[in-house]
Amino acid sequence: EIVLTQSPGTLSLSPGERATLSCRASQSVSSSYLAWYQQKPGQAPRLLIYGASSRATGIPDRFSGSGSGTDFTLTISRLEPEDFAVYYCQQYGSSPRDTFGQGTKLEIK
Amino acid sequence: QVQLQESGPGLVKPSQTLSLTCTVSGGSISSGSYYWSWIRQPAGKGLEWIGRIYTSGSTNYNPSLKSRVTISVDTSKNQFSLKLSSVTAADTAVYYCARDQIAAAGMGYYYYGMDVWGQGTTVTVSS
Repeated sequence: EIVLTQSPGTLSLSPGERATLSCRASQSVSSSYLAWYQQKPGQAPRLLIYGASSRATGIPDRFSGSGSGTDFTLTISRLEPEDFAVYYCQQYGSSPRDTFGQGTKLEIK
Repeated sequence: QVQLQESGPGLVKPSQTLSLTCTVSGGSISSGSYYWSWIRQPAGKGLEWIGRIYTSGSTNYNPSLKSRVTISVDTSKNQFSLKLSSVTAADTAVYYCARDQIAAAGMGYYYYGMDVWGQGTTVTVSS
């Protein structure tokens, strides 16, 4: 089973700063199968990135994804107040099930 | 646009079967290369994928739950459903339904992510 490990567990930053969130897989994951989600309290997750680097519909261009193999990154270039939330990475279908990372909480410093 | 809505009992007794339905509105459940998933989230914890179904009836389940899970689809009602048997307190969670898009690409597939989610429904397992 592929395990996704996200780091850091909590990231404390200020609005306007750059955020870099990591997702590391225990085995190689196809870039075509890697997605990122944002979840705010009391809400369902929202798709941000699919295919490791493609933004979903309506997602601002300050969100970007990169990586391949076992190391993937979600970057938020300039944090807006509404970006403070929990972020999850997900890999589709390998070994043989979908798995999510444990999440990174992005909090206001 | 497509919207999803979960429905079902909020309280289930231990050892019984949890049954939830997800109603799709604003589009046909049979259109496109869409799959339909269930995901759950215990309070204060992360997301766990339960399984998905295609409108042909083809299913994939999380191996850790496979012996207890059944996902089915009713295209005439534009709904898909989850049944989880022999529940315990560990099955207490918010349950979400979501739409996946998976398309053939070259020799493999391309995953477009879970782009539409229901609001979630809380299910508590307690006597």
